[in-house]
Amino acid sequence: GQQLNQSPQSMFIQEGEDVSMNCTSSSIFNTWLWYKQDPGEGPVLLIALYKAGELTSNGRLTAQFGITRKDSFLNISASIPSDVGIYFCAGQYGGANSKLTFGKGITLSVRP
Amino acid sequence: DTGVSQDPRHKITKRGQNVTFRCDPISEHNRLYWYRQTLGQGPEFLTYFQNEAQLEKSRLLSDRFSAERPKGSFSTLEIQRTEQGDSAMYLCASSGGLAAYEQYFGPGTRLTVT
Repeated sequence: GQQLNQSPQSMFIQEGEDVSMNCTSSSIFNTWLWYKQDPGEGPVLLIALYKAGELTSNGRLTAQFGITRKDSFLNISASIPSDVGIYFCAGQYGGANSKLTFGKGITLSVRP
Repeated sequence: DTGVSQDPRHKITKRGQNVTFRCDPISEHNRLYWYRQTLGQGPEFLTYFQNEAQLEKSRLLSDRFSAERPKGSFSTLEIQRTEQGDSAMYLCASSGGLAAYEQYFGPGTRLTVT
């Protein structure tokens, strides 16, 4: 089945630093989404990408849909303590009713 | 609050008991999804509804699991004869409207089977 790979499992950065995460797949996707999850809560949608090569920003977050449709990148600039959490990429193949396939997530820690 | 809501937030049950969870989607969304998430993993798809029709079920959804969305609004997920392996976070998501591809998640129901 389709699998999404996110690595490393954990990242540790200093407050104010930029951080980049990537997500790769063995299969192509038509839509990529990035979510953030806090402990004990559901994932919160950060950015959605719909077209190969698309670059989209949401505040300090920037994400790109890879040209091959098999990868995506999320960048967080000028990190702050509330950026701490688990970041998941999710891919969707097919129409708007399609299920999401998630990676295992990257746990981000921000040192003040 | 107009987001996805789930009830209860936490459920502790003994092995062999039945449990039922409820999800209320965003009001204008016609699509509703159930996912399961275990520790250290991303959410895994269980089943999907468009309006009241259940259109897709994962092989993860054994015959002890049943989901309904009788009026195309809220949904329930029932687990019969719970097993310890059912312990997980059960997440509901909804989508629809102009941003049809974007799935918005509720806070989840944490199930612990003892």
